[in-house]
Amino acid sequence: GDSVTQMEGPVTLSEEAFLTINCTYTATGYPSLFWYVQYPGEGLQLLLKATKADDKGSNKGFEATYRKETTSFHLEKGSVQVSDSAVYFCALGIQGAQKLVFGQGTRLTINP
Amino acid sequence: SQTIHQWPATLVQPVGSPLSLECTVEGTSNPNLYWYRQAAGRGLQLLFYSVGIGQISSEVPQNLSASRPQDRQFILSSKKLLLSDSGFYLCAWSVTGANVLTFGAGSRLTVL
Repeated sequence: GDSVTQMEGPVTLSEEAFLTINCTYTATGYPSLFWYVQYPGEGLQLLLKATKADDKGSNKGFEATYRKETTSFHLEKGSVQVSDSAVYFCALGIQGAQKLVFGQGTRLTINP
Repeated sequence: SQTIHQWPATLVQPVGSPLSLECTVEGTSNPNLYWYRQAAGRGLQLLFYSVGIGQISSEVPQNLSASRPQDRQFILSSKKLLLSDSGFYLCAWSVTGANVLTFGAGSRLTVL
């Protein structure tokens, strides 16, 4: 079945460090891919998305490129801030399936 | 603009007691509605989703049920709570046929 695998957390970095959170997927169709972010005590917010191969989603300095050949959608940011501390979820959606499949989430902590 | 409301925000219940979590969406018609659970240290698990009034799809067998009595109302229930029902419950909605979810702020349930 469809599934998403994220890198194990937690991840702890210093401010201004480079961030990569790995995400790979398995899907029978042609999924759309998403990154959601959950700040402490809150629900999830859409961070960025990509709907087809080679698309790059970007928002708030974060980027992720839809790589069909490696079935990946890794999240990157060049210089993280303390305010980026949150849990990040990778997800896929199959056209017509009416639902998203989420990865297990990666907790990110940025120290000043 | 569309908004999603979820309540109560926090709930502490004894084992064996009933549960009712409510979710309503404003500013849209015929949304897809979802209930997810986020257990401590674990990822996001889809529990139920609905594409219309009275139409409920259950993703995993469990102690919970869902109902959609009105177009923009989604209710998560249990007749007798178990300790394992503790977690953070998230309601979400999407436009029919689309994969982008908008989440509520969540309801934290602790079963003692």
